[in-house]
Amino acid sequence: AQTVTQSQPEMSVQEAETVTLSCTYDTSESDYYLFWYKQPPSRQMILVIRQEAYKQQNATENRFSVNFQKAAKSFSLKISDSQLGDAAMYFCAYNTNAGKSTFGDGTTLTVKP
Amino acid sequence: DTAVSQTPKYLVTQMGNDKSIKCEQNLGHDTMYWYKQDSKKFLKIMFSYNNKELIINETVPNRFSPKSPDKAHLNLHINSLELGDSAVYFCASSKGRSLDTQYFGPGTRLTVL
Repeated sequence: AQTVTQSQPEMSVQEAETVTLSCTYDTSESDYYLFWYKQPPSRQMILVIRQEAYKQQNATENRFSVNFQKAAKSFSLKISDSQLGDAAMYFCAYNTNAGKSTFGDGTTLTVKP
Repeated sequence: DTAVSQTPKYLVTQMGNDKSIKCEQNLGHDTMYWYKQDSKKFLKIMFSYNNKELIINETVPNRFSPKSPDKAHLNLHINSLELGDSAVYFCASSKGRSLDTQYFGPGTRLTVL
């Protein structure tokens, strides 16, 4: 079965500090994309960052970057210079060629002022 | 401009009723999805349509029936609503049918009394 595991149900970070959210996945597919989505209290699902599995270079989007370890099937999200607006639930997910998306259970991030 | 829209945003109804949720995307995407997010925030794909063709049909009760009149619309009809159907239902769309990034609608919170 294809799975995504986010081992940290909750995380907290001080404003302006850095936090890393963990994600591991299990798939037999060779071609897939990985994603981090953010869901604030408004419940809107917002794409944070995306990584193509065939790319070795880690994706970055401003203060957000990933550490993609394909052999270990690990895809962690690093948030630098955390801001109050980063407080949300974060979901790790992957898409396969079959068009099926699998999401982790989410990590709730609290940002302390 | 709204990319993926859903109506209604909130739906409160009695057990046994039949209800529909509508979804529209103006992104020109070919693929649309329905997800269910339960009270524990677990997000699971239900259906996927590509150019009006059903391509993913996860194990959901027959009471749930998606309908895609054209590739910009994907509606979800639910018959004989049950308490366990209470959840947030998200519509999403993507350009292609497999690996592409999915863009989510704002969600419809369904409460069955």
